[in-house]
Amino acid sequence: SQTIHQWPATLVQPVGSPLSLECTVEGTSNPNLYWYRQAAGRGLQLLFYSIGIDQISSEVPQNLSASRPQDRQFILSSKKLLLSDSGFYLCAWSNGQGPNIQYFGAGTRLSVL
Amino acid sequence: AQSVAQPEDQVNVAEGNPLTVKCTYSVSGNPYLFWYVQYPNRGLQFLLKYITGDNLVKGSYGFEAEFNKSQTSFHLKKPSALVSDSALYFCAVREPDTGRRALTFGSGTRLQVQP
Repeated sequence: SQTIHQWPATLVQPVGSPLSLECTVEGTSNPNLYWYRQAAGRGLQLLFYSIGIDQISSEVPQNLSASRPQDRQFILSSKKLLLSDSGFYLCAWSNGQGPNIQYFGAGTRLSVL
Repeated sequence: AQSVAQPEDQVNVAEGNPLTVKCTYSVSGNPYLFWYVQYPNRGLQFLLKYITGDNLVKGSYGFEAEFNKSQTSFHLKKPSALVSDSALYFCAVREPDTGRRALTFGSGTRLQVQP
C-alpha cells in the first residue's frame, strides 16, 4: 500500500534562516506531488505541484521554492524565512489518473520567530 | 476558473442528530467533487468522491454526500452524528476537462458535535 511521510512534524526557526521540508511517498511510482500551506487551521493554499521529476508548477509567488530530485521525493525550501511563512505545511500525492484523489501527509507545523 | 464555497464556518449538532455540511461549487464543465476531514494537527483524510453516476455517494465513517447539478451543490451528510465526528471538513473540486490536476479546496467548516 502507498504511504506518505513528511518531516519534521514541528519546526521552530528564526526569521532569516533557511528552510527545508521533506516529503516522500512509498508504494507508487510517478506520483503527482503537492505542497499546501494552511494558515490558522482553515483554508488550504496550493503552493506547488509536480507531475514529474523537475516538473514543478508554482501557484503563488512567494518566498518559497520546491524541488523534486527523485520520483517520490518533494522538498519545500526557503533561503530566508519570513514571519509570514509560519503555518501548517501539508504534502500530498495522487496517482495522476482518473479522479486524482489526493492523499495527505501528517503535516509540518512551522513557527517563524 | 473553478471555485468552492463552504458558507458555514461552523456547524453545531447534538450527538445522534443528523448533520449536514454545505458545499457549492463553480466550474465550467463537469466536476469531480471530494470531501476531506481534518482532525487537529493532522493531515487531511479522504472521505468520499463524486465522479459520475449515482448522485448519492457513500464514504467512510457513515458519511454520504449528494451531488445536485442544478444547484451546483455537494452537501455532506450523516444520519446520526457522533462526538468523534467533530473535526474540520473540506470540500474540494477538480475540473478534469481543463487538464488541471490540482484540487481547489473550500475554506473549511468546523463541525462540533455536542454530547
